[in-house]
Amino acid sequence: NAGVTQTPKFQVLKTGQSMTLQCAQDMNHNSMYWYRQDPGMGLRLIYYSASEGTTDKGEVPNGYNVSRLNKREFSLRLESAAPSQTSVYFCATRTGNTQYFGPGTRLLVL
Amino acid sequence: GDSVTQMEGPVTLSEEAFLTINCTYTATGYPSLFWYVQYPGEGLQLLLKATKADDKGSNKGFEATYRKETTSFHLEKGSVQVSDSAVYFCALFSGGYQKVTFGTGTKLQVIP
Repeated sequence: NAGVTQTPKFQVLKTGQSMTLQCAQDMNHNSMYWYRQDPGMGLRLIYYSASEGTTDKGEVPNGYNVSRLNKREFSLRLESAAPSQTSVYFCATRTGNTQYFGPGTRLLVL
Repeated sequence: GDSVTQMEGPVTLSEEAFLTINCTYTATGYPSLFWYVQYPGEGLQLLLKATKADDKGSNKGFEATYRKETTSFHLEKGSVQVSDSAVYFCALFSGGYQKVTFGTGTKLQVIP
């Protein structure tokens, strides 16, 4: 039982490059979330998906897109990376009122 | 909208000292309240939670009581260990919005 997995663990991009962060869960949870974590800012919600086939914007969606491919997978795409998107990205699921987090992807945009 | 305010860190304590990390919240309705812990290089893990007023959540020697009258959920531990060094996040969940609101986190460093 892997829980919530994220790939890659670490990535370096140049400004303007694109990439997709992958998240998968084997917990059979309907709700999935993408957060970014920056020093002094806590966690900020980028996008979330209440169920397969639905997605909604969070606090900081600009510059990102998401796809809820199926119940297990929820990917986050940066179409044209900017230095301001340097951050640690966490995927999470939710059941009831409790969230479960992946280990994070550390992204550096040069 | 919902918000969570927690004390700024870092907090540095000696081993076996008493820990309090303050957390207050603003929310409509009756949110559930949480403390999550993040160890270096890892994702967040649920530490404890409380779902209604006067509930006390507890785990691994940590505890917090849901105080509706003061809109607070302060984290306490009687005797911290070096292994408790981590970042602690207070959070709330209001079911109607499907979203969890996090505080900015408090870094705790425990020195031997």
